[in-house]
Amino acid sequence: SQELEQSPQSLIVQEGKNLTINCTSSKTLYGLYWYKQKYGEGLIFLMMLQKGGEEKSHEKITAKLDEKKQQSSLHITASQPSHAGIYLCGADIGGSARQLTFGSGTQLTVLP
Amino acid sequence: DTGVSQDPRHKITKRGQNVTFRCDPISEHNRLYWYRQTLGQGPEFLTYFQNEAQLEKSRLLSDRFSAERPKGSFSTLEIQRTEQGDSAMYLCASTPASGTGRGTGGVSSAFFGQGTRLTVV
Repeated sequence: SQELEQSPQSLIVQEGKNLTINCTSSKTLYGLYWYKQKYGEGLIFLMMLQKGGEEKSHEKITAKLDEKKQQSSLHITASQPSHAGIYLCGADIGGSARQLTFGSGTQLTVLP
Repeated sequence: DTGVSQDPRHKITKRGQNVTFRCDPISEHNRLYWYRQTLGQGPEFLTYFQNEAQLEKSRLLSDRFSAERPKGSFSTLEIQRTEQGDSAMYLCASTPASGTGRGTGGVSSAFFGQGTRLTVV
């Protein structure tokens, strides 16, 4: 099983709807990172969360870290077609501070 | 463009051939990472450099793979005797070495290149 589980694996929403993507770790998190990826392209850094209870927002995207539950959520408000893509969570698991372990990603489709 | 640059973007090669990819990190970043990503999966760590020193290698990095960062700037990843299972996207990322302790910046907000998509036929 993966050390980082993302859910759902895919999501189709109507433009304007809110949505949430979850990322759960089986081990202690020492930093949680969210990235977005368009098919066949590199990863675009969205946000980094380091402390339990931390919440960050950028435009219509909000990410939260629940350190006790070893879980993070990414919430998009009033989704737009430009939000479509693959959302990946990555984490410093084990505290090596040297590499990220990634989830399998959530494929988001936003219907106009 | 001051982002992470990878070359080539796409590579098609015949099984058994050698291939080499290049990564130019963000200039002030002294940490450089290579990851591999297969379809439908997240990136998997391959190896990591701090300046010119290769500090960590994943078990995924078989002896057919070698990575270098000779002057602590750009890096190359070579795959010898390619196999069909090597087909994947190869991603490079760089970060500054900032912060101390676990999760406080050791990995920092790693910036990724556009990747090199390798197809072995």
